[in-house]
Amino acid sequence: DAKTTQPTSMDCAEGRAANLPCNHSTISGNEYVYWYRQIHSQGPQYIIHGLKNNETNEMASLIITEDRKSSTLILPHATLRDTAVYYCIVRDAGGTSYGKLTFGQGTILTVHP
Amino acid sequence: DSGVTQTPKHLITATGQRVTLRCSPRSGDLSVYWYQQSLDQGLQFLIQYYNGEERAKGNILERFSAQQFPDLHSELNLSSLELGDSALYFCASSVDLDRGWNIQYFGAGTRLSVL
Repeated sequence: DAKTTQPTSMDCAEGRAANLPCNHSTISGNEYVYWYRQIHSQGPQYIIHGLKNNETNEMASLIITEDRKSSTLILPHATLRDTAVYYCIVRDAGGTSYGKLTFGQGTILTVHP
Repeated sequence: DSGVTQTPKHLITATGQRVTLRCSPRSGDLSVYWYQQSLDQGLQFLIQYYNGEERAKGNILERFSAQQFPDLHSELNLSSLELGDSALYFCASSVDLDRGWNIQYFGAGTRLSVL
């Protein structure tokens, strides 16, 4: 699976949009981008995923650049409950790595009042 | 609530002992995954089962083993426990249909403390 690079930490004011970047410059054509978050030792929570088009769901939006080498997770109106570690994961749809998710260090997002 | 149930929530045991962690996947999910999260290693994939068969393996120690039963629940067995095995153990499940993407839903985890 392609390697991802994320900032170690970010801050955001409550009510403002949180934009979390992820670099995945070695991504290949059949690899999907997934975002998960983990709130204080709870189980990781799925947020969103995409291949090449921008995606939106009730939790967030995912913007993937045209060359697919980077993406941004957008939380449109961050709340204190969005404080968590956010993981950007690139995973091949098939092959021997089909099963696993490879978690990096993620971005610690802190939402301030 | 992800729909994935893990028991027990906490487990305290001594070095050299053996423990069993249990996971019930979401209804309809055929795949179960086990992950370990320790302070120094982060979240690490251990093993995946699909419909009772082992499908993928990560850096799982030989002292650890897992199985998935006909009712699709899974157990992770940890034996000859060492202090370094203290960690959070997460189970995840997915439908695992033949498609390009696959979402894993995680349980709340079992916190294992080896004293």
